Amino acid sequence: EAQVTQNPRYLITVTGKKLTVTCSQNMNHEYMSWYRQDPGLGLRQIYYSMNVEVTDKGDVPEGYKVSRKEKRNFPLILESPSPNQTSLYFCASRSGGSRWTQYFGPGTRLLVL
Amino acid sequence: AQSVTQLDSHVSVSEGTPVLLRCNYSSSYSPSLFWYVQHPNKGLQLLLKYTSAATLVKGINGFEAEFKKSETSFHLTKPSAHMSDAAEYFCVVSARAGNNRKLIWGLGTSLAVNP
Repeated sequence: EAQVTQNPRYLITVTGKKLTVTCSQNMNHEYMSWYRQDPGLGLRQIYYSMNVEVTDKGDVPEGYKVSRKEKRNFPLILESPSPNQTSLYFCASRSGGSRWTQYFGPGTRLLVL
Repeated sequence: AQSVTQLDSHVSVSEGTPVLLRCNYSSSYSPSLFWYVQHPNKGLQLLLKYTSAATLVKGINGFEAEFKKSETSFHLTKPSAHMSDAAEYFCVVSARAGNNRKLIWGLGTSLAVNP
């Protein structure tokens, strides 16, 4: 089954404690991205990756890092989380070409105390 | 620049009555447009998409949307609402920024379906 998986699904942490949210897709997609969803602000792109070892900032990259060492994985790293990073995070992937469709993971709900 | 506006933040309908969720977009080129649905505590599911083919797009669960270039609209409709349609709906337009083709999201419309 084609899917995007994220782990963990729920996470409560404290300010400053480094954490990683993993994302994996099994569709051999080149393009992957991370979004955060906040009430009243919709979904905003954090980082994206066009392919292995190719990443770039989205609209709200501050406080986040990503890496793309393998095509299927695109982890999101919070080196020193702060309460304003409390949010719902979605990983997404899509193929290239003109008829692309973006597939989303189930989401990771993060609470930073 | 591309943008999308969902004209209603909340819509309430009775079960069995039609649904209309309104979306206007702004795009400097021929856009790709999408509707996604998010059920409570669930992920995002693609309902339908428009990519410059037929202007009337049929999606899953009986939903459809019509692309109207003259009105820059992409409203979502369903003839008869079901209780299971209660969810948050997002209108989305694709945007190109350099090598990045990203999605610009509306703020969502919360659909309530009353028995």
